[in-house]
Amino acid sequence: NAGVTQTPKFQVLKTGQSMTLQCAQDMNHEYMSWYRQDPGMGLRLIHYSVGAGITDQGEVPNGYNVSRSTTEDFPLRLLSAAPSQTSVYFCASAEPPQYEQYFGPGTRLTVT
Amino acid sequence: SQQGEEDPQALSIQEGENATMNCSYKTSINNLQWYRQNSGRGLVHLILIRSNEREKHSGRLRVTLDTSKKSSSLLITASRAADTASYFCATRNQAGTALIFGKGTTLSVSS
Repeated sequence: NAGVTQTPKFQVLKTGQSMTLQCAQDMNHEYMSWYRQDPGMGLRLIHYSVGAGITDQGEVPNGYNVSRSTTEDFPLRLLSAAPSQTSVYFCASAEPPQYEQYFGPGTRLTVT
Repeated sequence: SQQGEEDPQALSIQEGENATMNCSYKTSINNLQWYRQNSGRGLVHLILIRSNEREKHSGRLRVTLDTSKKSSSLLITASRAADTASYFCATRNQAGTALIFGKGTTLSVSS
């Protein structure tokens, strides 16, 4: 099993550009989530999904959209990139009832 | 706001010593989890303790949970240089659908 995969590993965007960060898992987990990690801030939850067709907002959802059309994929869309979105983004999946999370390797995004 | 807060923010010890990290949280929980993150990598799940458990062991890891004080501690015994990493606690939110992380403790083990 590949586990949780994320693409790309690195990305540089200009302010105002849009892009999609890809996340896929092959463990048939119902639960998937996106976090961003900034120095001194730990991980902050952006959006999460408890199953295909169901998404919800986390702690810092503004400026991001998600969709969950399949169990395997959970893409994160940046609508109009801003320098404040420079961060490392992690995708994770988990299975109830304990929700032990499996993380992807991360995408390092820089917005100039 | 973040549910869990780790203490200390940074910890430096020598190989062979024990390392203790603490986590405090704000609301009722179903379980509390500890994760490790090596520099530049994703997080790896270490151990989970349920709200009705008080102590749990896994190899050199010992986790305690005090629900009356809303706190947990992670003890790493006989630390090794390879234990150098950041450690995070995480708790489920009240709705039970999201896992919220603290800011982490950075552990440095020198040989």
